[in-house]
Amino acid sequence: AQTVTQSQPEMSVQEAETVTLSCTYDTSESDYYLFWYKQPPSRQMILVIRQEAYKQQNATENRFSVNFQKAAKSFSLKISDSQLGDAAMYFCAYRIPKEGGGATNKLIFGTGTLLAVQP
Amino acid sequence: EAGVTQFPSHSVIEKGQTVTLRCDPISGHDNLYWYRRVMGKEIKFLLHFVKESKQDESGMPNNRFLAERTGGTYSTLKVQPAELEDSGVYFCASSQSSMGFSGTSYEQYFGPGTRLTVT
Repeated sequence: AQTVTQSQPEMSVQEAETVTLSCTYDTSESDYYLFWYKQPPSRQMILVIRQEAYKQQNATENRFSVNFQKAAKSFSLKISDSQLGDAAMYFCAYRIPKEGGGATNKLIFGTGTLLAVQP
Repeated sequence: EAGVTQFPSHSVIEKGQTVTLRCDPISGHDNLYWYRRVMGKEIKFLLHFVKESKQDESGMPNNRFLAERTGGTYSTLKVQPAELEDSGVYFCASSQSSMGFSGTSYEQYFGPGTRLTVT
């Protein structure tokens, strides 16, 4: 079964500090995509960062970076220089790219980590 | 460009009643997804439309849920009759393409969600 586990229901970080959110997943596939989504309070979910499993280099988007450990099936998100606007629910997600009839490309999500940023 | 919109933002109904949720995807996006998050749990896939056709409805909980996408534009998700366990946040997402081996055309853009409360 394909599952995504986020073991930290809540996290807190001081403004300007660094925080790491953990995510592990389980799959027998060799080719897949991993994502971190952010959902601010009462706002829609947006994509923060994506990682293709075939790429060894960790993805980076400004203050957001990932530590992708394929053998360990681990995909953590590091937020550097945390800002008040980073406070949100963060979801780790996984997708197997498929094509052709019946392909769905559905996302499989974890339970989320609620990040609080303290001023 | 307008994002994915959902209506209503919040609905409170009694057990046994009917509710219809609506999702308007980003213009030109053939792929439309429905997801649901029950309180404290992961976001779960419900179904996927490609234009007006159901590509994958493996996540639909039972036959009390009916999704339609007439004309391949907006989609509705009807729950009839509603049960207590149907409470949660229903998310809609759309993407330009469902195939994703490279590029960002497969990225799913999410709406703000509809919070359904069944009492």
